[in-house]
Amino acid sequence: GENVEQHPSTLSVQEGDSAVIKCTYSDSASNYFPWYKQELGKGPQLIIDIRSNVGEKKDQRIAVTLNKTAKHFSLHITETQPEDSAVYFCAASGYSSASKIIFGSGTRLSIRP
Amino acid sequence: DTEVTQTPKHLVMGMTNKKSLKCEQHMGHRAMYWYKQKAKKPPELMFVYSYEKLSINESVPSRFSPECPNSSLLNLHLHALQPEDSALYLCASSQDIDRGFSYNEQFFGPGTRLTVL
Repeated sequence: GENVEQHPSTLSVQEGDSAVIKCTYSDSASNYFPWYKQELGKGPQLIIDIRSNVGEKKDQRIAVTLNKTAKHFSLHITETQPEDSAVYFCAASGYSSASKIIFGSGTRLSIRP
Repeated sequence: DTEVTQTPKHLVMGMTNKKSLKCEQHMGHRAMYWYKQKAKKPPELMFVYSYEKLSINESVPSRFSPECPNSSLLNLHLHALQPEDSALYLCASSQDIDRGFSYNEQFFGPGTRLTVL
């Protein structure tokens, strides 16, 4: 089955700097890669996703890149702000099991003022 | 309305109690999910319902019993739980499953924080 590894487990960056979180997946059949942000006491919130037929996607300060050959994908947050502090999960799913999203272990991002 | 709601927010129960968690969505989604999330861990899938029928049971113990009374509602009935079942229980929904790219997006509720004494 699919296995998703996520690094780093914790990340502290100065406000205004960029943050990068990296994930690798094992199943070459995976074709959908969402990123979730989970704030304290809340459920995960989808912030951006990418399909396997696309290499990069941007939404304001957030971008995700996908390298299908190397089976890794990354989340980039630019101009970080205090409200970006949260736990971020990458995930992967495939067409054959579209209902099963396999999550990475999570990255706790802290933004230093 | 793009929201998944869950009640109660918090629940404390003894090991002999019977309780239920409730989840509701009004996005017209036909797939609904239960996840369990322990502290500092990612969500773990428990059950998937598709068109009100149980589609996936991830070998969850029978003390957890899901129910989907209609396409907008999802319940999780709890009985004879153990202290290790204490966790955040998340409900999610998606437009559909196994229909290709457009239907995979899952929307999560805020969760029910369950404590078993």
